[in-house]
Amino acid sequence: KQEVTQIPAALSVPEGENLVLNCSFTDSAIYNLQWFRQDPGKGLTSLLLIQSSQREQTSGRLNASLDKSSGRSTLYIAASQPGDSATYLCAVLTQGGSEKLVFGKGTKLTVNP
Amino acid sequence: DGGITQSPKYLFRKEGQNVTLSCEQNLNHDAMYWYRQDPGQGLRLIYYSQIVNDFQKGDIAEGYSVSREKKESFPLTVTSAQKNPTAFYLCASSILRGSTGGRYGYTFGSGTRLTVV
Repeated sequence: KQEVTQIPAALSVPEGENLVLNCSFTDSAIYNLQWFRQDPGKGLTSLLLIQSSQREQTSGRLNASLDKSSGRSTLYIAASQPGDSATYLCAVLTQGGSEKLVFGKGTKLTVNP
Repeated sequence: DGGITQSPKYLFRKEGQNVTLSCEQNLNHDAMYWYRQDPGQGLRLIYYSQIVNDFQKGDIAEGYSVSREKKESFPLTVTSAQKNPTAFYLCASSILRGSTGGRYGYTFGSGTRLTVV
């Protein structure tokens, strides 16, 4: 059974800092990995999608990497801003059977002005 | 703009009552999904459908029912058999397979918060 773990559960940083969020998964048989952002009481906004054959994806100040063999992904946020404060969720689309999207519990990020 | 619309945003259910959550998408996506989100537990899959008139149970289907009569719509009914329905419910959709066999990402709606009163 696929399990996704995100570390740390919460992170508080001063504005302008570069930071890394971590995601690990137990079954490397995945199609892709997706990073989402969730603001309080809101739905999920997709940030980056990495296919299993890719090593990284970039969008603006965000960079996500994928090491499928070791079951790890990182989300790098450059020059953090207070508007980046949110919960960041990692999810993997697992091969076989129902091909389910399995989520981690998220990292709650607070960027202080 | 294409997207997923969930309604209502807030819903209150009395004990023993069935309620239905709406999910509509205009993205022409094949598959649709219902997730439940509870504090500290992450998102858990309730039901999913990959084609009209067919759907499959997810990890926590007990006390819920769905239908998929149209490609665009995937309503979720929370029945009186669901003993702890208070949660945030999220609907999602995706294209099943790309031209090269790859898989696409999921698009989520804005959610419905259900509270038992």
